[in-house]
Amino acid sequence: GEDVEQSLFLSVREGDSSVINCTYTDSSSTYLYWYKQEPGAGLQLLTYIFSNMDMKQDQRLTVLLNKKDKHLSLRIADTQTGDSAIYFCAETPPADRGSTLGRLYFGRGTQLTVWP
Amino acid sequence: ETGVTQSPTHLIKTRGQQVTLRCSSQSGHNTVSWYQQALGQGPQFIFQYYREEENGRGNFPPRFSGLQFPNYSSELNVNALELDDSALYLCASTRDRGYGYTFGSGTRLTVV
Repeated sequence: GEDVEQSLFLSVREGDSSVINCTYTDSSSTYLYWYKQEPGAGLQLLTYIFSNMDMKQDQRLTVLLNKKDKHLSLRIADTQTGDSAIYFCAETPPADRGSTLGRLYFGRGTQLTVWP
Repeated sequence: ETGVTQSPTHLIKTRGQQVTLRCSSQSGHNTVSWYQQALGQGPQFIFQYYREEENGRGNFPPRFSGLQFPNYSSELNVNALELDDSALYLCASTRDRGYGYTFGSGTRLTVV
């Protein structure tokens, strides 16, 4: 669980959909997360998905999980300028893999820029 | 329900000095983790405290140490500061080492 990969930048026009992609390393990871970080701020948990699910929807957010390819995506519908931020994908491997229970492994983050 | 609060928000230290960062966990949470976020990087796990004991540690040297108090608040101490220690330090809390950590806003440490 140490090489979570994300593309670094994404630009979209206001009102369009945004799709942020992530590949993670441990197929046995129990939870996968999306966090949002605005400038100068901490991390805000946006949503998470348990590993036995393949999709989760929460208002404008849709998370898709492909366990076979270890691929996670976050779709933001009707993207607004207030959605401009850095989005982090994170995984939590199970503790029996030698990892601390609940420890998060993060990607480098995707900077989403929304143009009016 | 108050969230996770960290203090101070910013500080500047000189190389070789020591620093203590503080974190108050969210009400009802007994587990605290600390992360270091260097500029342009994702957060890296430093360590976790559960019921006042260190419960796991990332790849950080021993000069990074911590404490958790009976009220589950926590401190991160860094000795012999190096320039590379400049980063945003994030504290996160949860209940019973569970999932869905709540993060504080962080302390921005600059070492000069």
